[in-house]
Amino acid sequence: AQKITQTQPGMFVQEKEAVTLDCTYDTSDQSYGLFWYKQPSSGEMIFLIYQGSYDEQNATEGRYSLNFQKARKSANLVISASQLGDSAMYFCAMREYTGTASKLTFGTGTRLQVTL
Amino acid sequence: DTGVSQDPRHKITKRGQNVTFRCDPISEHNRLYWYRQTLGQGPEFLTYFQNEAQLEKSRLLSDRFSAERPKGSFSTLEIQRTEQGDSAMYLCASSLGGGTYEQYFGPGTRLTVT
Repeated sequence: AQKITQTQPGMFVQEKEAVTLDCTYDTSDQSYGLFWYKQPSSGEMIFLIYQGSYDEQNATEGRYSLNFQKARKSANLVISASQLGDSAMYFCAMREYTGTASKLTFGTGTRLQVTL
Repeated sequence: DTGVSQDPRHKITKRGQNVTFRCDPISEHNRLYWYRQTLGQGPEFLTYFQNEAQLEKSRLLSDRFSAERPKGSFSTLEIQRTEQGDSAMYLCASSLGGGTYEQYFGPGTRLTVT
């Protein structure tokens, strides 16, 4: 079963506008973490933001915020005031904390294109 | 630059040859991870180390793959008898620990098997 689902293969947004990238996840664990990474064309994965399953408030990091809805198992990334440099692939990932599990499970990503 | 580094950045090899990749993590990070990313997909976990101990291996890691992390510093990933299906980006990441600690990724090694 797919654990991370990103249903938007591609998104367009105009510069200075906000955009929401969707992510839903599947887990039976009570303790887990959700991460968003950005991958520009250079290939390097850049960490953006983290949300723990027990965190009561939505995470924010600068222009990035995570809209965490635990009951719906969704962890959408909101980018405010989009910039041309935000054009990249965006991946949602989950870490489950059972046993020695430390790996990240990634979705298939969303390609964001910021236009003038 | 104190980020994660990987070498080489690109490798082209013929089917059947062996290849070895190197990853140097951020110096104070005790955890090191290997992922594989094929075109149009997110990275897939291969294996991870805590210090020099290899604690988890994915079923993706066939007998032709082996990873080491001697002395808990750099790591190598070797693929023996490469196949065309091994063509992918191999990403290395490191972190201070598990749990909430984010993983910092290197630039990756792009492998092309001809």
